[in-house]
Amino acid sequence: QVQLQQSGPGLVKTSQTLSLTCAISGDSVSSNSAAWNWIRQSPSRGLEWLGRTYYRSKWYNDYAISVKSRISINPDTSKNQFSLHLNSVSPEDTAVYYCTRAQVRGYFDYWAQGTLVTVSS
Amino acid sequence: DIVMTQSPLSLSVTPGEPASISCRSSQNLLYSNGHNYLDWYLQKPGQSPQLLIYTGSNRASGVPDRFSGSGSGTDFTLKISRVEAEDVGVYYCMQSLQTPYAFGQGTKLEIK
Repeated sequence: QVQLQQSGPGLVKTSQTLSLTCAISGDSVSSNSAAWNWIRQSPSRGLEWLGRTYYRSKWYNDYAISVKSRISINPDTSKNQFSLHLNSVSPEDTAVYYCTRAQVRGYFDYWAQGTLVTVSS
Repeated sequence: DIVMTQSPLSLSVTPGEPASISCRSSQNLLYSNGHNYLDWYLQKPGQSPQLLIYTGSNRASGVPDRFSGSGSGTDFTLKISRVEAEDVGVYYCMQSLQTPYAFGQGTKLEIK
């Protein structure tokens, strides 16, 4: 059974960096058949896919254009986890952030519990 | 980018009655392998979204058979044959054909 456990601060100051970590159990971040994603949800934007990292003989990343200049998603094979870093945040980045696993066919079969991150000065 | 549009945005259903939600994509989600890359999720109150249906019509593990998905190309439907109280929440369709993955606005299901 796959489990995803998120951690990170719930409050970030404007212009600083939002950082969250997603610890994986029951699968490997280096799996050749999965991709590891970050999604956020807010009343104004709904559910918004932010990006992913995955391993297919080498590491790949894809990011949403809306955050591409500010985001990085990084695997940590030693701890079997992956992280989200979103810099230069503003109140518009306030949302519940989820990490998820995606199968090869793209659907998200496992979701973490979500973290409400509030951006405020 | 692909845009997903759901209707209706809210639904109030008597227990035991059927329910239907439509989802339309701005681009064809049928891939050359014959699969439609359209998935359905349910977000119950206070919970993370959970997968219901993947690639158009395949029920996820543990999903009751009263849920079914159909459609192809740009038009898809989620049907609940007999609504139960535990089905309340917000239903989302999502295209998984290409990044950026995109969700519909959501359809809120309430029980009468």
